[in-house]
Amino acid sequence: RKEVEQDPGPFNVPEGATVAFNCTYSNSASQSFFWYRQDCRKEPKLLMSVYSSGNEDGRFTAQLNRASQYISLLIRDSKLSDSATYLCVVPGNTGKLIFGQGTTLQVKP
Amino acid sequence: SAVISQKPSRDICQRGTSLTIQCQVDSQVTMMFWYRQQPGQSLTLIATANQGSEATYESGFVIDKFPISRPNLTFSTLTVSNMSPEDSSIYLCSVEEGGGSSYEQYFGPGTRLTVT
Repeated sequence: RKEVEQDPGPFNVPEGATVAFNCTYSNSASQSFFWYRQDCRKEPKLLMSVYSSGNEDGRFTAQLNRASQYISLLIRDSKLSDSATYLCVVPGNTGKLIFGQGTTLQVKP
Repeated sequence: SAVISQKPSRDICQRGTSLTIQCQVDSQVTMMFWYRQQPGQSLTLIATANQGSEATYESGFVIDKFPISRPNLTFSTLTVSNMSPEDSSIYLCSVEEGGGSSYEQYFGPGTRLTVT
């Protein structure tokens, strides 16, 4: 299993849709997990941190399943401005952050 | 979170030359990191730069190619030496903030390097 694996997409959804991305990880000892958002030609920006079973911030919900070693990001009521690449980030075996390949979301009117 | 700036924001360089990228943070931070993001790829950690000690390089990256300085707690530089077209990439610095078991990384705006 790759250290961090994401479905690259692209996910094409209409405005208002609910969309979910999954991310699997290999390091069972990881205690913290992150979702970053990266717009085209910009730096990654921290969207959400997950230290326990999950986290919710407005339309965004992250859920952690330690038994199956995956985390998900759910976006409700998608907006055009949600179009971006979403990076799943997990500490690797050495403690350094490992970035997934990213999942591209395109929200269409 | 800390405000991070990088200079230059972009550059086009000839092969065989070197470029030094600067990263400035508006607060004192212990851990600074340098990443590379090649076209269409995700981020790869180059090295960790701690003030007062040598940088720690990841597998596949060496000091001769990517020398790093960390003269104080708010500043670091990364040099890309003897450049080739394969070094064309975005180079990002990041800092780690937090405490206890909760640490998060924040990124500078990146330096877009094209080597011709």
